[in-house]
Amino acid sequence: EAQVTQNPRYLITVTGKKLTVTCSQNMNHEYMSWYRQDPGLGLRQIYYSMNVEATDKGDVPEGYKVSRKEKRNFPLILESPSPNQTSLYFCASSKGPDEKLFFGSGTQLSVL
Amino acid sequence: QQQVKQSPQSLIVQKGGISIINCAYENTAFDYFPWYQQFPGKGPALLIAIRPDVSEKKEGRFTISFNKSAKQFSLHIMDSQPGDSATYFCAEGSGATNKLIFGTGTLLAVQP
Repeated sequence: EAQVTQNPRYLITVTGKKLTVTCSQNMNHEYMSWYRQDPGLGLRQIYYSMNVEATDKGDVPEGYKVSRKEKRNFPLILESPSPNQTSLYFCASSKGPDEKLFFGSGTQLSVL
Repeated sequence: QQQVKQSPQSLIVQKGGISIINCAYENTAFDYFPWYQQFPGKGPALLIAIRPDVSEKKEGRFTISFNKSAKQFSLHIMDSQPGDSATYFCAEGSGATNKLIFGTGTLLAVQP
């Protein structure tokens, strides 16, 4: 089954404790992206990647890091989480930014 | 931060009625305009998409109308059903800029 898998589904952490949200896709997609969803603000792009070792900032990259060492994986790293990063995060993949985007099930992150 | 202007923020429609959601964009470099549907607890899923070379696209009860001169596009849901109750996001994308930018979302409630 074609899917985007992200883990964990829920995460509660404390300020400053590094964390990683994993994302993996099995569709051989070149384009992968991370979004955060906040009430009233919709989906905002954090980072995106056009291919292996090719990543670029989206609209809200501050406080986040990503890596794309393999085509299928695109982890999101918060090196020093802060409460304003409490949000619902989605990983997504597609053949390209102007193609159908497949989303994961989301990760609800709470930073205390 | 780039963002597509989407309205209304919320919408209540009676069963069988027409739901209309509007979006406005600024950057003419974008050439891909999708609509995504999101149910509670799920990731967004592509509903329908249009490119600027056509003014309208219809798939079942869902229609996108595109007005290039006004830089606006809208989603029409005909014969709205309670199962259509969800959050809808418009977006604009470009293979040239590698960006896919989402609107702020519209919460649609279809009353039986």
